[in-house]
Amino acid sequence: EVQLLESGGGLVQPGESLRLSCAASGFTFSRAVMGWVRQAPGKGLEWVSDISGTGDASFYVDSVRGRFTVSTDSSKNTVNLQMTNLRAEDTALYYCAKRMRSNGGSYDSWGQGTLVTVSS
Amino acid sequence: EIVMTQSPATLSVSPGERATVSCRASQSVSTNLAWYQQKPGQPPRVLIYDVSTRATGFPARFSGSGSGTEFTLTISSVQSEDSAVYYCQQYTAWPLTFGGGTKVEIK
Repeated sequence: EVQLLESGGGLVQPGESLRLSCAASGFTFSRAVMGWVRQAPGKGLEWVSDISGTGDASFYVDSVRGRFTVSTDSSKNTVNLQMTNLRAEDTALYYCAKRMRSNGGSYDSWGQGTLVTVSS
Repeated sequence: EIVMTQSPATLSVSPGERATVSCRASQSVSTNLAWYQQKPGQPPRVLIYDVSTRATGFPARFSGSGSGTEFTLTISSVQSEDSAVYYCQQYTAWPLTFGGGTKVEIK
């Protein structure tokens, strides 16, 4: 059974940093493409970033490129999202998700999410 | 960026009625289109992928169709448990993009 468990969310002030982690199990991590999707309170879904399980390819939405860095730790089967220079508009529930196929596809598994609040 | 536009924003249907949600892409996404169902307080669940393949656990009353830029999610006979927000998503190119969501309410 695929399990994704996010951690690291919290309340920070604008300009500060936060590191999210997603512990994955139940599948071959190195063959997966993992992603982060966020949802602002009461709003829709917004894709944030994808990374290959090997960590050699990563992608970002324009609004976070240069501020967020996604990485993997294959020894721990974790995906991390380092967020710097946080803004109020980054406030959201951040979901870790796994793509269905090694070359992409829809997200077939999701974690419960970790809440990031950016406020002074 | 491929923009995904869903309609309507809210759909109110009676149990047993047919519900249709539309999703339009600003350019062709081929067959790289999924639908997700999200209930309050829960993460999204993939409902339909590759335009028309129903995910495990969802009943046959859910179906997806379309191609290129126009896609449809149909619930043939809505049940009370189908009350949720439904999102379309294209995964043909980064950035991946979602539609704005359609809230299906049961009368």
